[in-house]
Amino acid sequence: GNSVTQMEGPVTLSEEAFLTINCTYTATGYPSLFWYVQYPGEGLQLLLKATKADDKGSNKGFEATYRKETTSFHLEKGSVQVSDSAVYFCALSLDNQGGKLIFGQGTELSVKP
Amino acid sequence: DVKVTQSSRYLVKRTGEKVFLECVQDMDHENMFWYRQDPGLGLRLIYFSYDVKMKEKGDIPEGYSVSREKKERFSLILESASTNQTSMYLCASSLPTGRTYEQYFGPGTRLTVT
Repeated sequence: GNSVTQMEGPVTLSEEAFLTINCTYTATGYPSLFWYVQYPGEGLQLLLKATKADDKGSNKGFEATYRKETTSFHLEKGSVQVSDSAVYFCALSLDNQGGKLIFGQGTELSVKP
Repeated sequence: DVKVTQSSRYLVKRTGEKVFLECVQDMDHENMFWYRQDPGLGLRLIYFSYDVKMKEKGDIPEGYSVSREKKERFSLILESASTNQTSMYLCASSLPTGRTYEQYFGPGTRLTVT
Protein backbone atom coordinates (compact mmCIF):
# COMPACT_ATOMS: atom_id res chain seq x y z
CA GLY A 1 0.00 0.00 0.00
CA ASN A 2 0.87 3.67 -0.01
CA SER A 3 2.43 5.15 3.12
CA VAL A 4 4.71 7.84 4.52
CA THR A 5 7.15 7.40 7.38
CA GLN A 6 8.74 10.30 9.23
CA MET A 7 11.40 10.40 11.89
CA GLU A 8 9.94 10.48 15.33
CA GLY A 9 9.90 13.58 17.42
CA PRO A 10 9.97 15.68 19.31
CA VAL A 11 13.10 17.30 17.94
CA THR A 12 14.65 20.02 20.09
CA LEU A 13 17.27 22.34 18.60
CA SER A 14 19.00 25.55 19.54
CA GLU A 15 18.47 28.63 17.40
CA GLU A 16 20.68 28.69 14.27
CA ALA A 17 21.19 24.91 14.33
CA PHE A 18 20.87 22.78 11.19
CA LEU A 19 17.63 20.88 10.80
CA THR A 20 16.92 17.60 9.06
CA ILE A 21 13.61 15.77 9.32
CA ASN A 22 13.66 12.46 7.50
CA CYS A 23 10.75 11.28 5.35
CA THR A 24 10.50 8.12 3.28
CA TYR A 25 7.56 6.86 1.30
CA THR A 26 6.07 3.78 -0.30
CA ALA A 27 3.83 4.31 -3.29
CA THR A 28 2.28 2.39 -6.16
CA GLY A 29 2.83 4.82 -8.96
CA TYR A 30 4.58 8.15 -9.22
CA PRO A 31 3.61 10.37 -6.30
CA SER A 32 3.83 14.08 -5.71
CA LEU A 33 5.46 14.90 -2.37
CA PHE A 34 4.70 17.63 0.12
CA TRP A 35 5.75 19.12 3.42
CA TYR A 36 3.05 20.79 5.48
CA VAL A 37 3.60 22.79 8.66
CA GLN A 38 1.22 23.28 11.58
CA TYR A 39 1.94 26.16 13.93
CA PRO A 40 0.45 25.98 17.42
CA GLY A 41 -3.31 26.40 17.40
CA GLU A 42 -3.58 26.55 13.63
CA GLY A 43 -4.45 24.32 10.68
CA LEU A 44 -1.89 22.97 8.23
CA GLN A 45 -0.15 25.13 5.65
CA LEU A 46 1.70 23.94 2.59
CA LEU A 47 5.42 24.55 3.10
CA LEU A 48 6.84 23.11 -0.13
CA LYS A 49 6.24 20.46 -2.74
CA ALA A 50 7.92 18.48 -5.54
CA THR A 51 6.17 16.64 -8.34
CA LYS A 52 8.96 14.68 -10.05
CA ALA A 53 12.27 13.01 -9.32
CA ASP A 54 15.20 15.33 -8.52
CA ASP A 55 12.88 18.33 -8.11
CA LYS A 56 13.79 20.52 -5.17
CA GLY A 57 11.02 22.29 -3.31
CA SER A 58 11.96 25.34 -1.26
CA ASN A 59 10.25 27.98 0.86
CA LYS A 60 11.14 30.16 3.87
CA GLY A 61 14.68 28.71 3.95
CA PHE A 62 13.42 25.11 4.01
CA GLU A 63 14.35 22.68 1.22
CA ALA A 64 13.54 19.11 0.25
CA THR A 65 14.65 17.09 -2.78
CA TYR A 66 12.55 14.32 -4.34
CA ARG A 67 14.82 11.27 -4.39
CA LYS A 68 13.21 8.44 -6.31
CA GLU A 69 16.12 6.05 -5.88
CA THR A 70 15.88 6.21 -2.09
CA THR A 71 12.12 7.00 -1.97
CA SER A 72 12.86 9.94 0.29
CA PHE A 73 11.94 13.61 0.71
CA HIS A 74 13.94 14.86 3.68
CA LEU A 75 13.28 18.37 4.97
CA GLU A 76 16.30 20.59 5.70
CA LYS A 77 16.99 24.09 6.92
CA GLY A 78 20.42 25.58 7.45
CA SER A 79 19.63 27.79 10.43
CA VAL A 80 16.41 27.38 12.40
CA GLN A 81 14.66 30.14 14.32
CA VAL A 82 12.40 30.04 17.36
CA SER A 83 9.52 30.90 15.03
CA ASP A 84 10.05 27.59 13.19
CA SER A 85 8.73 25.69 16.21
CA ALA A 86 5.81 23.70 14.84
CA VAL A 87 4.72 20.24 13.76
CA TYR A 88 5.91 19.19 10.30
CA PHE A 89 4.06 16.65 8.16
CA CYS A 90 5.36 14.85 5.11
CA ALA A 91 2.68 13.73 2.66
CA LEU A 92 2.18 12.21 -0.77
CA SER A 93 -0.55 12.26 -3.36
CA LEU A 94 -1.07 10.11 -6.43
CA ASP A 95 -2.40 11.08 -9.83
CA ASN A 96 -6.11 10.82 -10.55
CA GLN A 97 -7.11 10.84 -6.90
CA GLY A 98 -8.31 14.41 -6.70
CA GLY A 99 -5.59 15.56 -4.37
CA LYS A 100 -6.10 13.00 -1.60
CA LEU A 101 -3.12 13.17 0.72
CA ILE A 102 -1.47 10.39 2.69
CA PHE A 103 0.35 11.82 5.70
CA GLY A 104 3.20 10.76 7.86
CA GLN A 105 2.72 10.87 11.61
CA GLY A 106 4.21 14.35 12.03
CA THR A 107 7.40 15.56 13.69
CA GLU A 108 7.26 18.18 16.40
CA LEU A 109 10.11 20.68 16.28
CA SER A 110 10.96 22.89 19.24
CA VAL A 111 13.62 25.58 18.78
CA LYS A 112 15.12 27.13 21.90
CA PRO A 113 16.70 30.60 21.97
CA ASP B 1 -6.52 34.45 -0.08
CA VAL B 2 -8.27 31.12 0.12
CA LYS B 3 -10.24 30.77 3.29
CA VAL B 4 -11.48 27.55 4.84
CA THR B 5 -13.53 28.08 7.97
CA GLN B 6 -14.82 25.58 10.49
CA SER B 7 -17.85 26.26 12.63
CA SER B 8 -16.22 25.73 16.03
CA ARG B 9 -12.68 25.70 17.39
CA TYR B 10 -13.63 23.72 20.50
CA LEU B 11 -16.62 21.48 21.10
CA VAL B 12 -17.64 19.31 24.04
CA LYS B 13 -20.36 16.71 23.52
CA ARG B 14 -21.78 13.80 25.46
CA THR B 15 -21.62 10.15 24.44
CA GLY B 16 -24.52 9.27 22.15
CA GLU B 17 -25.16 12.81 20.91
CA LYS B 18 -25.39 13.57 17.21
CA VAL B 19 -22.63 16.02 16.30
CA PHE B 20 -22.35 18.25 13.25
CA LEU B 21 -19.04 19.79 12.19
CA GLU B 22 -19.35 22.38 9.46
CA CYS B 23 -16.75 23.49 6.94
CA VAL B 24 -17.03 26.29 4.41
CA GLN B 25 -14.57 27.33 1.69
CA ASP B 26 -14.80 30.52 -0.33
CA MET B 27 -12.78 29.67 -3.46
CA ASP B 28 -15.16 27.49 -5.46
CA HIS B 29 -13.00 24.39 -4.97
CA GLU B 30 -14.57 21.17 -6.14
CA ASN B 31 -12.74 18.82 -3.79
CA MET B 32 -13.21 18.85 -0.04
CA PHE B 33 -11.88 16.57 2.68
CA TRP B 34 -12.34 15.70 6.35
CA TYR B 35 -9.39 14.39 8.37
CA ARG B 36 -8.90 13.58 11.99
CA GLN B 37 -5.57 14.27 13.66
CA ASP B 38 -4.30 12.21 16.58
CA PRO B 39 -0.86 12.31 18.23
CA GLY B 40 1.53 9.79 16.70
CA LEU B 41 -0.90 8.93 13.89
CA GLY B 42 -0.72 12.05 11.77
CA LEU B 43 -3.82 12.92 9.74
CA ARG B 44 -6.18 10.20 8.59
CA LEU B 45 -8.79 10.72 5.90
CA ILE B 46 -12.38 10.17 6.99
CA TYR B 47 -14.38 11.20 3.89
CA PHE B 48 -13.91 13.30 0.82
CA SER B 49 -16.10 14.81 -1.87
CA TYR B 50 -15.36 15.63 -5.50
CA ASP B 51 -18.56 17.52 -6.15
CA VAL B 52 -21.93 18.47 -4.74
CA LYS B 53 -23.84 15.45 -3.46
CA MET B 54 -20.85 13.19 -4.14
CA LYS B 55 -18.92 11.53 -1.35
CA GLU B 56 -16.38 8.78 -0.98
CA LYS B 57 -15.08 6.95 2.05
CA GLY B 58 -11.58 7.56 3.20
CA ASP B 59 -9.49 5.33 5.43
CA ILE B 60 -11.53 5.56 8.63
CA PRO B 61 -15.22 6.27 7.79
CA GLU B 62 -16.79 4.10 10.50
CA GLY B 63 -18.99 6.11 12.83
CA TYR B 64 -19.08 9.13 10.52
CA SER B 65 -21.16 10.39 7.64
CA VAL B 66 -20.95 13.52 5.49
CA SER B 67 -23.18 15.88 3.58
CA ARG B 68 -22.41 18.18 0.66
CA GLU B 69 -25.53 19.99 -0.50
CA LYS B 70 -23.68 23.09 -1.72
CA LYS B 71 -20.27 23.35 -3.32
CA GLU B 72 -18.82 25.56 -0.63
CA ARG B 73 -20.02 23.55 2.38
CA PHE B 74 -18.97 20.10 3.57
CA SER B 75 -20.39 18.76 6.82
CA LEU B 76 -19.10 15.91 8.96
CA ILE B 77 -21.67 14.10 11.08
CA LEU B 78 -21.04 11.88 14.05
CA GLU B 79 -24.26 9.88 14.24
CA SER B 80 -23.76 8.82 17.86
CA ALA B 81 -20.64 10.30 19.39
CA SER B 82 -18.32 8.02 21.32
CA THR B 83 -15.31 8.77 23.49
CA ASN B 84 -12.93 7.30 20.90
CA GLN B 85 -14.01 10.08 18.55
CA THR B 86 -12.37 12.66 20.79
CA SER B 87 -9.87 14.21 18.41
CA MET B 88 -8.90 17.21 16.31
CA TYR B 89 -10.90 17.40 13.08
CA LEU B 90 -9.48 19.23 10.08
CA CYS B 91 -11.31 20.19 6.94
CA ALA B 92 -9.56 20.96 3.67
CA SER B 93 -10.37 21.93 0.12
CA SER B 94 -8.11 21.50 -2.89
CA LEU B 95 -7.27 23.24 -6.11
CA PRO B 96 -5.48 21.64 -9.07
CA THR B 97 -2.07 23.19 -9.70
CA GLY B 98 -0.45 21.59 -12.72
CA ARG B 99 -0.02 17.88 -12.21
CA THR B 100 -1.00 17.95 -8.59
CA TYR B 101 -3.38 19.61 -6.13
CA GLU B 102 -2.76 22.05 -3.31
CA GLN B 103 -4.83 21.54 -0.20
CA TYR B 104 -5.97 24.40 1.99
CA PHE B 105 -6.84 23.61 5.59
CA GLY B 106 -9.19 25.11 8.11
CA PRO B 107 -8.04 25.84 11.68
CA GLY B 108 -9.50 22.64 13.07
CA THR B 109 -12.17 21.71 15.59
CA ARG B 110 -11.02 20.06 18.79
CA LEU B 111 -13.87 17.75 19.80
CA THR B 112 -14.10 16.21 23.24
CA VAL B 113 -16.69 13.50 23.83
CA THR B 114 -17.41 12.81 27.51
